[in-house]
Amino acid sequence: TQLLEQSPQFLSIQEGENLTVYCNSSSVFSSLQWYRQEPGEGPVLLVTVVTGGEVKKLKRLTFQFGDARKDSSLHITAAQPGDTGLYLCAGVRGLYGQNFVFGPGTRLSVLP
Amino acid sequence: GAGVSQSPSNKVTEKGKDVELRCDPISGHTALYWYRQSLGQGLEFLIYFQGNSAPDKSGLPSDRFSAERTGGSVSTLTIQRTQQEDSAVYLCASSRSILLAGDTDTQYFGPGTRLTVL
Repeated sequence: TQLLEQSPQFLSIQEGENLTVYCNSSSVFSSLQWYRQEPGEGPVLLVTVVTGGEVKKLKRLTFQFGDARKDSSLHITAAQPGDTGLYLCAGVRGLYGQNFVFGPGTRLSVLP
Repeated sequence: GAGVSQSPSNKVTEKGKDVELRCDPISGHTALYWYRQSLGQGLEFLIYFQGNSAPDKSGLPSDRFSAERTGGSVSTLTIQRTQQEDSAVYLCASSRSILLAGDTDTQYFGPGTRLTVL
């Protein structure tokens, strides 16, 4: 059983479209991170959200942490082919490594 | 500057053989983490080091897995008597210091070693 669920699992859209991916859990996390991973590379951190209800913006990417700190969303506006990749959420409940779990990821493909 | 490097990038081995995977963290990073990524699965935490010490080994899948870190730098992950279910990408990451919940600092990942057990 996945501690963190992500949806959708796969997403293929045209350049210029908007999209939202979700990260859900029944557990409360102290913080939650979003990463993007490209083929043959390790994940790269995009953002860390800490406070329930927090919203962070990174250019065309908007991240939201749920009020109860159990879920998060990533919204991309006007997607570009460079946004293609595997988006992973990771929840932290304590010291990294001891209570640090990743979701299975959403694989996004943005077609030109 | 140099990032986290891992070697080999690909390893194909026969069931029952031992393998060693190497991780060179970013210079000066005291914390080092090992993860396993299987197809369709998220990253599975295996073990972390603070300096040369691994305080929590409970994430290692079985006693066939071991890891060490020497000189506060290079780490090796050893899998003995490999099984087909060990096939995965093994990722290493490092950070300046051990990260705590809410920390906005980051761990930097290497490109991984793809292990295939035939």
